[in-house]
Amino acid sequence: NAGVTQTPKFRVLKTGQSMTLLCAQDMNHEYMYWYRQDPGMGLRLIHYSVGEGTTAKGEVPDGYNVSRLKKQNFLLGLESAAPSQTSVYFCASSYGQSHGYTFGSGTRLTVV
Amino acid sequence: DQQVKQNSPSLSVQEGRISILNCDYTNSMFDYFLWYKKYPAEGPTFLISISSIKDKNEDGRFTVFLNKSAKHLSLHIVPSQPGDSAVYFCAAGSAGGTSYGKLTFGQGTILTVHP
Repeated sequence: NAGVTQTPKFRVLKTGQSMTLLCAQDMNHEYMYWYRQDPGMGLRLIHYSVGEGTTAKGEVPDGYNVSRLKKQNFLLGLESAAPSQTSVYFCASSYGQSHGYTFGSGTRLTVV
Repeated sequence: DQQVKQNSPSLSVQEGRISILNCDYTNSMFDYFLWYKKYPAEGPTFLISISSIKDKNEDGRFTVFLNKSAKHLSLHIVPSQPGDSAVYFCAAGSAGGTSYGKLTFGQGTILTVHP
């Protein structure tokens, strides 16, 4: 089925460890986004990309890095995880301006 | 500075009755609005949208109303069904300039529909 796939679905990290979350879409969408969802905060934009090889900061980018080497993949990295990064992370893709998103099913990350 | 706000964390409704979910925004540059539905352990899914040139959009049991002067939108679900129980997110975007399709989301409202 066409859509957005996120891996892994769950992960527990120790403070200071690093990891990469992978997002893959097969809809040939140009735009891709990483959001985090926290209780009472809704979904907040971390980073986004408007095409292969481009990335930009969103609302809450500190502590994260991203790369979009291929159009279908958007990677989110945590270089040194902190407990404040415990959250559910959602990747989304979009055809373009004024179009809604297709979301992945999320990655639940716990940093202890 | 929360530009999109859903002031009701939760809403409980009887099956068959109307559910009304509300959303307020502050940024006058927003010109399209969307509602997403989210079940536990799943990603949000698109429900319905409205452009700022309209004041109403209908899709089956779901209707979204937009009041631009009040910077307020609402989602009406009629009749409500137990399967509608989920978290509902309001989102807003701006079509122009360097917005790049970015959406700003509200905090979400948990809707529970009782049989």
